[in-house]
Amino acid sequence: GNSVTQMEGPVTLSEEAFLTINCTYTATGYPSLFWYVQYPGEGLQLLLKATKADDKGSNKGFEATYRKETTSFHLEKGSVQVSDSAVYFCALSDRRNSGYALNFGKGTSLLVTP
Amino acid sequence: DGGITQSPKYLFRKEGQNVTLSCEQNLNHDAMYWYRQDPGQGLRLIYYSQIVNDFQKGDIAEGYSVSREKKESFPLTVTSAQKNPTAFYLCASRYPSGANVLTFGAGSRLTVL
Repeated sequence: GNSVTQMEGPVTLSEEAFLTINCTYTATGYPSLFWYVQYPGEGLQLLLKATKADDKGSNKGFEATYRKETTSFHLEKGSVQVSDSAVYFCALSDRRNSGYALNFGKGTSLLVTP
Repeated sequence: DGGITQSPKYLFRKEGQNVTLSCEQNLNHDAMYWYRQDPGQGLRLIYYSQIVNDFQKGDIAEGYSVSREKKESFPLTVTSAQKNPTAFYLCASRYPSGANVLTFGAGSRLTVL
């Protein structure tokens, strides 16, 4: 099935630093790609998505571009804040025997210090 | 407000006991999912259901069971056959559009003593 690999953390940055979290995927066909964010003790929230090659998803200053040629969907933010501290998951859609599910990477923990 | 409600948030059980986690949604979504989250392992799919009265095994279904008798509800039972049940369990539902976006509940943390 389809799968994603994302960089391991933890990632520690100072406030206002530039953030990149790498994500590459293996897939047949053209899956949709996602970034989800999880704050401590909570469920996952959709951060952004892209449904086809060269699409750019963006939200709250975060961006990621669906790159078919490099099978990547790296998450970037130009200036991180302390409130961005969370775990970030890359995911892609996977067609199953009956319907679709999302397959997730292992998550990257981000800590932003003042 | 529409959303997914999981209960209980924290649950402690003795080894060998079955436990049922509740998941209710008022989003009118057809598809629902259960994932398990362990530190450093991301989320793994346990079971999913595309429609009422139908469900499919995911990647780690052994030791778990589900039912889907109502559109709004998708309870997960962790049976005594699950060898390592202590984990964070997340329920989700899927928007009916083509983008396959999942909405998640706040999760239930099960600890087996």
